[in-house]
Amino acid sequence: GENVEQHPSTLSVQEGDSAVIKCTYSDSASNYFPWYKQELGKRPQLIIDIRSNVGEKKDQRIAVTLNKTAKHFSLHITETQPEDSAVYFCAANRGSGYSTLTFGKGTMLLVSP
Amino acid sequence: DADVTQTPRNRITKTGKRIMLECSQTKGHDRMYWYRQDPGLGLRLIYYSFDVKDINKGEISDGYSVSRQAQAKFSLSLESAIPNQTALYFCATSDRGSGSPTQYFGPGTRLTVL
Repeated sequence: GENVEQHPSTLSVQEGDSAVIKCTYSDSASNYFPWYKQELGKRPQLIIDIRSNVGEKKDQRIAVTLNKTAKHFSLHITETQPEDSAVYFCAANRGSGYSTLTFGKGTMLLVSP
Repeated sequence: DADVTQTPRNRITKTGKRIMLECSQTKGHDRMYWYRQDPGLGLRLIYYSFDVKDINKGEISDGYSVSRQAQAKFSLSLESAIPNQTALYFCATSDRGSGSPTQYFGPGTRLTVL
């Protein structure tokens, strides 16, 4: 089955810096890669996703890149703000259909003012 | 707004008790999922259902069972709760018909087994 590795487990940055979280996956048939943000005490919420026919996607200060050959994808947050502090999860679908997701173990991002 | 809800939000129980966690959704989605979240382990899939008559085991189904009572309702049961089932449980939904695989999560149920 699919295995998703996520690094780092914790990341501390200063406000205004950039943050990068990296994930690798094992199933070459995976074709959907979402990122979820979970604020303290809240539910995970989708912030951005990418499909395998695209190499990069941006939405304001966040971007995701995908390297299918190397089977890794990354989340980039620019100009970080204290409200970006949260746990971020990457995920990949199992197989080529949009079926179930396998999640990474999460990255706790702390943005200091 | 259409949403995913879970009851109860918090539950403390004792070892050996049978527990049911309930999930309801007003999103009109056909697919529903149960996950558990443990610190440092991310979200792990327990069971999922793509249709009222479809039930599938996830990666950690031992000790759990589910029931899909209607398209909008998906319940998770712990037949005989044990302390290592203490965790935060999330229900999620997605819509096959929309062509989007996005999963929408409920607010979670914090379960403590003493």
